[in-house]
Amino acid sequence: QVQLVQSGAEVKKPGSSVRVSCKTSGGTFSSYNLNWVRQAPGQGLEWMGRIIPMFGLTNYAQTFQGRVTITADESTSTAYLELSSLTSEDTAVYYCARDEAKVGTSVFLHYWGQGTLVTVSS
Amino acid sequence: DIQMTQSPSSLSASVGDRVTITCQASQDIANHLNWYQQKSGKAPKLLIYDASNLETGVPSRFSGSGSGTAFSFTISSLQPEDIATYYCLHYDNLPFAFGPGTKVDIK
Repeated sequence: QVQLVQSGAEVKKPGSSVRVSCKTSGGTFSSYNLNWVRQAPGQGLEWMGRIIPMFGLTNYAQTFQGRVTITADESTSTAYLELSSLTSEDTAVYYCARDEAKVGTSVFLHYWGQGTLVTVSS
Repeated sequence: DIQMTQSPSSLSASVGDRVTITCQASQDIANHLNWYQQKSGKAPKLLIYDASNLETGVPSRFSGSGSGTAFSFTISSLQPEDIATYYCLHYDNLPFAFGPGTKVDIK
């Protein structure tokens, strides 16, 4: 059974950074891509980026380039999202979402964490 | 970047009604599209992958179709527990992108 468990809510000051973790269980950690998605209050879903743990390769949405870093620790099956230079517009729920392999296909953003609320406020 | 549009943005229907949501991609994405259900305060849940494949354990009243640029998602008989916002997601190339969502309510 696949589970993604994220770290708890954070309150940050403008200009600071935040790191959110996503611990996975079920399956081989390095075999599946891990994505990050955010949702501002009352808004839709926004893909931020992903890591391919097997190769340590990352891809980021242009919106976040230069401010976002996604890393992975295979020893603990945990992925991390770090976002810097925070503003009030970064207040959102941040989700991790793992891909999955099925016979003949890959299922993108199949399993999701419970979400982590990051509030940016002075 | 590929842009995704969805319509309608919201709808209200009666229990038992057939409900259809459409999703349009700004360029050909083959069948590289998922549909998600998000209930209030919860994480999105995958319902349909590869445009038309029903995820294991998802009720058969949910279905998806389409390829290329035009896709649709249907609830054949709306149930009270289907109140949620529904999103499409393309994963044809990077960056992935979600549609803006369709909020479904019971009349």
